[in-house]
Amino acid sequence: GDSVTQMEGPVTLSEEAFLTINCTYTATGYPSLFWYVQYPGEGLQLLLKATKADDKGSNKGFEATYRKETTSFHLEKGSVQVSDSAVYFCALSDQMDTGRRALTFGSGTRLQVQP
Amino acid sequence: EPEVTQTPSHQVTQMGQEVILRCVPISNHLYFYWYRQILGQKVEFLVSFYNNEISEKSEIFDDQFSVERPDGSNFTLKIRSTKLEDSAMYFCASNPTGVPYGYTFGSGTRLTVV
Repeated sequence: GDSVTQMEGPVTLSEEAFLTINCTYTATGYPSLFWYVQYPGEGLQLLLKATKADDKGSNKGFEATYRKETTSFHLEKGSVQVSDSAVYFCALSDQMDTGRRALTFGSGTRLQVQP
Repeated sequence: EPEVTQTPSHQVTQMGQEVILRCVPISNHLYFYWYRQILGQKVEFLVSFYNNEISEKSEIFDDQFSVERPDGSNFTLKIRSTKLEDSAMYFCASNPTGVPYGYTFGSGTRLTVV
């Protein structure tokens, strides 16, 4: 079945540092890939998405490129802020996997940005 | 911006008791879901619901679990006889058309079984 593997956290960075959170996936078909973010006390929010190979999703300074050859979708940001402190989840949706539209998530990576 | 609302935010229950987790999805959405996350583990799909019936469920969603949309606005998850291993964060989500990028998630209910 499908699976998503993320780097374990917490990741602790100073403000303005460069961020990379690694995500790799296994899927039977041609998945769509997502990054969700969960700020303290809030629900999961879609941060960015990519629906086919070589697509780059971007939002709020975050970027991730769908790499089919390495089955990866790493999240990057050039300069993090304290307000980026949250838990980040990589996820995929693969309709070839039993045809359902449910999301398969990674375990989440907590990012802590210090001033 | 429309929200998915979950209540309560935290529920403590004794092992063997029934518990109902409540969700109010976005009003014009047609697809509804429950996911859960055991502490430190992955967010896992439990069940999807469309047109007043379950459209898909995972192997986790056994006979102890049930879902209902009793009044056209609430969407509930019932666990009939809770076990310690049911302790987790439960997320409700809704989706207007079922497209993979159309989910809106609630902030979750943390269930603690003692």
